[in-house]
Amino acid sequence: QVQLMQSGAELREPGASVRVSCKASGYTFTTYYIHWVRQAPGQGIEWMGWIDPNSGGTYSAQKFQGRVTMSRDTSISTAYMELSRLTSDDAAVYYCARVHRNYGDFGFDPWGQGTRVTVSS
Amino acid sequence: QSVLTQPPSVSGAPGQTVTISCTGTSSNIGAGFDVHWYQQLPGTAPKLLIYVNTNRPSGVPDRFSGSKSGTSASLAITGLQAEDEADYYCQSHDSSLSGSLFGGGTKLTVL
Repeated sequence: QVQLMQSGAELREPGASVRVSCKASGYTFTTYYIHWVRQAPGQGIEWMGWIDPNSGGTYSAQKFQGRVTMSRDTSISTAYMELSRLTSDDAAVYYCARVHRNYGDFGFDPWGQGTRVTVSS
Repeated sequence: QSVLTQPPSVSGAPGQTVTISCTGTSSNIGAGFDVHWYQQLPGTAPKLLIYVNTNRPSGVPDRFSGSKSGTSASLAITGLQAEDEADYYCQSHDSSLSGSLFGGGTKLTVL
């Protein structure tokens, strides 16, 4: 079945960077965009950006531009999201999510299980 | 301002019907962009519940239905069950953001 498996929880100090991985299985990795979102404790969902696994093209929300890097390794069907210059406001669960259809806007399905990032000195 | 507004909470007794609203603006729902709904059970990732306003992915019970009109959308849950207790989020594309936007979420309590 279609699955996204994310890397484990991370603890970082303020000012550091974190990289989260998202391994896809059960489908052709290069044919569906991957989006990244995050959810701070007890808060709603915030969209961060997307990557086209075929071309490597990316787009990020203005809030994260200059601080987020999305990449992929097609040989292992894995997408990555790196966030730099972390502050306490970046403490959240980070999710990758595949688009439901490989054309148009049909929502996100499935989602990875989430990666908890803690920022603390 | 790019905002999708949802009520913070709704509640209902088993068997009843509840409706969750999602109010947008002229840069998202009002611009004609489609709305999707997600269910997030405690401690789990969100799950796609309704896509493109009214469509259910396979495996989603027909107790869940969606609608859209003007700058708003709604999620209706009929025959409420204890297992429906969760957070629900709407999502749409926003032209000002050039990206996706989520509502603030609604916590459903089954009394």
